This record gives sequence, structure tokens and C-alpha cells, in this order.
Amino acid sequence: QKEVEQNSGPLSVPEGAIASLNCTYSDRVSQSFFWYRQYSGKSPELIMSIYSNGDKEDGRFTAQLNKASQYVSLLIRDSQPSDSATYLCAVNRAAGIQGAQKLVFGQGTRLTINP
Amino acid sequence: DAEITQSPRHKITETGRQVTLACHQTWNHNNMFWYRQDLGHGLRLIHYSYGVHDTNKGEVSDGYSVSRSNTEDLPLTLESAASSQTSVYFCASSDTGVVNTEAFFGQGTRLTVV
Repeated sequence: QKEVEQNSGPLSVPEGAIASLNCTYSDRVSQSFFWYRQYSGKSPELIMSIYSNGDKEDGRFTAQLNKASQYVSLLIRDSQPSDSATYLCAVNRAAGIQGAQKLVFGQGTRLTINP
Repeated sequence: DAEITQSPRHKITETGRQVTLACHQTWNHNNMFWYRQDLGHGLRLIHYSYGVHDTNKGEVSDGYSVSRSNTEDLPLTLESAASSQTSVYFCASSDTGVVNTEAFFGQGTRLTVV
């Protein structure tokens, strides 16, 4: 079982609609969770982070975390063509040494917003 | 401004050759990571380091090695390049002390093994 799993898509959403991206993780000691966006040929860039159960909103983006179900999701409201990219879920675990982290990614979901 | 840079950006090498990819960060981060990215696999962790002289194997470490002699650099070495190691390689770094810190990525190195 992979540590972090995502539906690889592709996911196609009409402009203005809500895009919903999902991620599950296997290690219960995971402490923090991230969503990165990656445009074709570019490096990943952080768009959301979440550490506590519940929802976290930032503009058009909402991250949702359910540690009991080991589930993280990202909602993108009012989707724009510029949101078309690959979205990577990442899970961070402390590694025993103070401040040390192990950052593991899912395989990514390719999202296309259709005008 | 602090940054993380990778070199070279593109590399073509022959099977069996030793190749080293450089990663240099000026964030003064203790955590550094190397990933490879292939279609359908996302970012897979090769090696990671928590500080000087510390290195750890990730999920796809076979055929790769790293060393950490200072805070700023984590070079990735392919001991004997294989065609299966053709990929895009990303280096990243993150701060310590707070688990929930962002990782910053380099621009990536596209490696082709022929």
C-alpha cells in the first residue's frame, strides 16, 4: 500500500464549477498535510497546508482533513482555466529527531478546467 | 533572496556513467530531499537528509547515493546510470523546529540516460 494515494485522473471540470480532489494516507502518525500545484514543466508550489481536523479556507481553496478516516481533500470553488494543473497531495511526518521531517507525495491528480 | 538551485537543468549521459546532480540552497534549512518524477508516479522520494552528515533512504533509493557535508548542499549521485533512471529530478528543502513548514523546490533537472 502506498503511503499517499490520489486518483490520478484526469479530472475535467467546467469553468465556474467546484473541483474536488481527494487523497488518502496510510500512516496514522502523519502530522501535517499539504496540497501543491504543479504546472507542466514547472516545480511544485504550495497552495494549502492543514494540520488539524476540519476545514481550512484560503480564497477559492478549501482544504479538509479527517484524521480518523486518514483523508485529505481540496476544493477549488469558481474554477478558472488557470487552475488547470496537476495537484499533488503531500504528507509530512516527524521523524524522531527534533525538527526532522519526511515529506511523501501522492501520484498527483491532473485537473483540466474547460472554458 | 534565499533560493534553492539545481544544476544542470538538462543532462544527457550514457548508460554506466557516474552522474552527479547538484542542489544548493541558501535558506539555511536542515531538511533536504531528492525526488524523481515520472508520468503516473508523482514525486517519489529518493533520499533525504536532516542535517550535516545525516542521510536516509527513501522509497526508490537503489542506484542513488547522497552525502551532506554542509548545510547548503545535497548532491545526488547515480553510481552507474541506467535507462530506468531517465526522469525529472527535484530537490527540495524545508525548515526545522516546526513540523508544518513548507518545502521549497528547485527548478528540476531533466536527466536522459541513453
